[in-house]
Amino acid sequence: DAGITQSPRHKVTETGTPVTLRCHQTENHRYMYWYRQDPGHGLRLIHYSYGVKDTDKGEVSDGYSVSRSKTEDFLLTLESATSSQTSVYFCAISEADNQPQHFGDGTRLSIL
Amino acid sequence: ILNVEQSPQSLHVQEGDSTNFTCSFPSSNFYALHWYRWETAKSPEALFVMTLNGDEKKKGRISATLNTKEGYSYLYIKGSQPEDSATYLCASRSNTGNQFYFGTGTSLTVIP
Repeated sequence: DAGITQSPRHKVTETGTPVTLRCHQTENHRYMYWYRQDPGHGLRLIHYSYGVKDTDKGEVSDGYSVSRSKTEDFLLTLESATSSQTSVYFCAISEADNQPQHFGDGTRLSIL
Repeated sequence: ILNVEQSPQSLHVQEGDSTNFTCSFPSSNFYALHWYRWETAKSPEALFVMTLNGDEKKKGRISATLNTKEGYSYLYIKGSQPEDSATYLCASRSNTGNQFYFGTGTSLTVIP
């Protein structure tokens, strides 16, 4: 299995609080992605990174920011969490943009 | 936003039956089509990455074809087994960005 670790695996927090999710990889892959998975929507891309300090928005980026200060870590931040951001978040990595993505185990985030 | 659609939404087959599903995607500016297998309580696992019109890929009893001119891909499973039970996702990417758009998946249940 690809070396991808998401933390935390579960989190419950309150509306209005900041939340940061971490994706750590040991594969030295260039590309990293954050997705959210909601019933009826499948996986939707939030943000992605194509190198250190190189990031871009995905389909559902509003309310989220990301940072990638080193190859192995890609952080997803909810500056002020809302109940609509309750979801399961998946991180994925790929060696190149024409290579398959390898997914982490997911983070279940509940915002009350 | 790319509209990626999968059909059927769910499928129940008997063990030993062969089956197939469809992924439809916009044919303009096509770059790549991915197939993933997603078992319950696990993370998505890559099956195929397809880029060329007419591509055919095979992995054991699972195979896929790609028609980029008309914007569809078929996934075939020959002699379905209970362990094939999973949700099968496709994702499309255009050549105008690095965003992947996933379909909502086909849920396959193989009845022993």
